[in-house]
Amino acid sequence: EVQLVESGGVVVQPGGSLRLSCAASGFSFDDYAMHWVRQAPGKGLEWVSLISWDGGRTYYAVSVKGRFTISRDNSKKSLYLQMNSLRAEDTALYYCAKAGRMTTILAELDSWGQGTLVTVSS
Amino acid sequence: QSALTQPASVSGSPGQSITISCTGASTDVGGYNYVSWYQQHPGKAPKLMIYDVSNRPSGVSNRFSGSKSGNTASLTISGLQAEDEADYFCSSYTSSSTLNVFGTGTKVTVL
Repeated sequence: EVQLVESGGVVVQPGGSLRLSCAASGFSFDDYAMHWVRQAPGKGLEWVSLISWDGGRTYYAVSVKGRFTISRDNSKKSLYLQMNSLRAEDTALYYCAKAGRMTTILAELDSWGQGTLVTVSS
Repeated sequence: QSALTQPASVSGSPGQSITISCTGASTDVGGYNYVSWYQQHPGKAPKLMIYDVSNRPSGVSNRFSGSKSGNTASLTISGLQAEDEADYFCSSYTSSSTLNVFGTGTKVTVL
């Protein structure tokens, strides 16, 4: 069974930094691209970032480009999101999600974690 | 990259069929067959319901179906049931540098 468990969400001040983690199990982690998707309280889903299965390619939403960095450690079956220069509008529940097909970035998100809450507030 | 446009809400009675639209552009929905749909119940993580416009993952009820015409994709729920009451989001590949975009979301209410 696929399991994705996010961690690292806390309350942080504007301008601060934070690193989210996602521990994966139940599938061959190094064969699948991974995503971060966020959801502000009471709002819709916003795609944040994507990393290819080998970590060689990364993509970002315009709203986070230059501030957030996605990475992965396939030996640890873990996905990360380094978040810098945080703003109030980054407050959201952050989900990690698995691509639905092996070795492609063109795939649906077929498994999701339960999310970790990031609150940016002074 | 702007979000894909969905109606804010759709409602129907048990047993009826409803359709949710998802409108984009030729650079996303209209240009590629990489449209997916997600169901989200309150306080829960999203669940994949449809991928590649019209394919259902294993375990998803055949009451859910997807289609596309031009720049608009659609999700149809037939034989509406109380458990279908949830938020639904479409998503598409986009040729912009961001690669992925979600829809604005639709709240489905079963009357």
